[in-house]
Amino acid sequence: QVQLQESGPGLLKPSETLSLSCAVSGYSISSGYYWGWIRQPPGKGLEWIGSIYHSGSAYYNPSLKSRVTISVDRSKNQFSLRLRSVTAADTAIYYCARPSGKGGFDCWGQGTLVTVSS
Amino acid sequence: AIQLTQSPSSLSASVGDRVTITCRTSQGIGSALAWYQQKPGKAPKFLIYDASSLESGVPSRFSGSASGTAFTLTISSLQPEDFATYYCQQFNGYPLMYTFGQGTKVEIK
Repeated sequence: QVQLQESGPGLLKPSETLSLSCAVSGYSISSGYYWGWIRQPPGKGLEWIGSIYHSGSAYYNPSLKSRVTISVDRSKNQFSLRLRSVTAADTAIYYCARPSGKGGFDCWGQGTLVTVSS
Repeated sequence: AIQLTQSPSSLSASVGDRVTITCRTSQGIGSALAWYQQKPGKAPKFLIYDASSLESGVPSRFSGSASGTAFTLTISSLQPEDFATYYCQQFNGYPLMYTFGQGTKVEIK
């Protein structure tokens, strides 16, 4: 059974860098898929941030591309998100997810709330 | 960029009602559309892919359909556990890109 677990600081100050990791168990990242990060501001909708393949090939949402880097660590079976120069608008629940291979994400982490506040 | 517009943004319905949610895309996407259900405090649950294919384990009262740039999620007989927010999501294979609709909240009448 595939499980994903996000981890990282829950509180940041404006202009800092958000760093989150997603640990995957029950499935090897190296087996395939473009693993994804999605976020959801409190009370609002979902926004895809980006996705990464085990080779390191990554795609990003154009609206965030200038501030985002997603990386993968195959030895730890995890992938990570860095979002630079955060503002209050980046306050959200951040989810990591595995794509189903059918155009959607079928396995999600529980999500982690990141709050940006001075 | 492709825009997804869901309607309505919210609706009130009773147990047993037939519920229909529409997602319109700003341009043609074939059948590259998925639907999710999200309950408060939980991650989204994958319901439907390729516009009309039911994900394994999802009750058959859920169905999806497509007509041009209009996609529909139908719940044939609303159950108490179906009260949630529903999102459509478009997928583009290259360059890889996912776009979500703004959500439709289904509330108890």
